[in-house]
Amino acid sequence: QKEVEQNSGPLSVPEGAIASLNCTYSDRVSQSFFWYRQYSGKSPELIMSIYSNGDKEDGRFTAQLNKASQYVSLLIRDSQPSDSATYLCAVKSGTSYGKLTFGQGTILTVHP
Amino acid sequence: NAGVTQTPKFRILKIGQSMTLQCTQDMNHNYMYWYRQDPGMGLKLIYYSVGAGITDKGEVPNGYNVSRSTTEDFPLRLELAAPSQTSVYFCASTKGATQETQYFGPGTRLLVL
Repeated sequence: QKEVEQNSGPLSVPEGAIASLNCTYSDRVSQSFFWYRQYSGKSPELIMSIYSNGDKEDGRFTAQLNKASQYVSLLIRDSQPSDSATYLCAVKSGTSYGKLTFGQGTILTVHP
Repeated sequence: NAGVTQTPKFRILKIGQSMTLQCTQDMNHNYMYWYRQDPGMGLKLIYYSVGAGITDKGEVPNGYNVSRSTTEDFPLRLELAAPSQTSVYFCASTKGATQETQYFGPGTRLLVL
């Protein structure tokens, strides 16, 4: 059973702080890694994808991947109240016809 | 482009009833997926399709059926609805299998009473 585990929440940070979201996965052949943001009552929307070891930055978001440790994380700098949402980690194996395996999600609340 | 559209947005079913959840995409994507999301949980894959006429089971297929007669449409059929099928259902699509982004529809909220 391929599993994706996210750090338990909910996570609460003050406005302007760095929010750190973590995810581990069990399938060593996983090749693609995604972070989705989901507002309450809405569908998931992709905010970051990462395929190689190291860091990938996009504005206030940084994704970090360590395939040896089977670990992927998302850092949100200068957190804003509008970042309050559920963040879903998703993993895709190269042999899985594009199927995503999702973690259970981490609820992030950014308070003013 | 409308992207991925789903109908209905919300439906209440009685136990034992049947219904079809509709999903359509206008991006000429080959791969399409149905997920369900229970409260406070991540998404679980029900069925997927890699092209017209080709479908396969995901992680939680029991109680559901799918068909894919065209590239655009991927309906999900619930037969003999049960309370355990109360969930939010998302359809998604992607062009390819590896590094392509999956695009999600707005979801269908289903309540089985």
